Amino acid sequence: EVQLVESGGVVVQPGGSLRLSCAASGFTFDDYTMHWVRQAPGKGLEWVSLISWDGGSTYYADSVKGRFTISRDNSKNSLYLQMNSLRTEDTALYYCAKDTDREVPDAFDIWGQGTMVTVSS
Amino acid sequence: QSALTQPRSVSGSPGQSVTISCTGTSSDVGGYNYVSWYQQHPGKAPKLMIYDVSKRPSGVPDRFSGSKSGNTASLTISGLQAEDEADYYCCSYAGSYTLVVFGGGTKLTVL
Repeated sequence: EVQLVESGGVVVQPGGSLRLSCAASGFTFDDYTMHWVRQAPGKGLEWVSLISWDGGSTYYADSVKGRFTISRDNSKNSLYLQMNSLRTEDTALYYCAKDTDREVPDAFDIWGQGTMVTVSS
Repeated sequence: QSALTQPRSVSGSPGQSVTISCTGTSSDVGGYNYVSWYQQHPGKAPKLMIYDVSKRPSGVPDRFSGSKSGNTASLTISGLQAEDEADYYCCSYAGSYTLVVFGGGTKLTVL
């Protein structure tokens, strides 16, 4: 079965750090670009970051640039998001998503169930 | 404010057709054929319904179709069914700086 399973979401204080993980199975992980997409409570989807199939290219939304770092370990079929200097506006459900392509960001055909990050004092 | 503009809500009766618009610019929707649409039911993860403007993934009913004209993409759902009631989001590639942009989402109500 093709699936993505996120973990690592917790309640953290403003200024804190957190690392999210996403375990992939059922497809050839290192053939595809991978993304993180978030959704604040009651709000729409917001693209956060992507990493190319080989980890050689990474991109970030302006809202997280300089604070978040995306990475992947193809030997473990895993995707990560290191989140530093967290702000209250980072509170959201974070989804891991698989791209349909390995080069140009195209579409997200597989999504995880999401992991909730709450930034609050 | 989202980069792509969608109507906040649309509605239709069972069996009817509805169209959801997604307006961007020549830097995103108008500049590339990488427009996708997602359906999201409450409490669930989004589901890919249309990619590359008009392609349907395996398993998506052919009642769902996509198109694009200039800077505006559209999702049309024909033969509305109760289970189509959900939030719908458009998404587009936006070039090598911005990368990916989403619309604000449209709530579809089946009357």
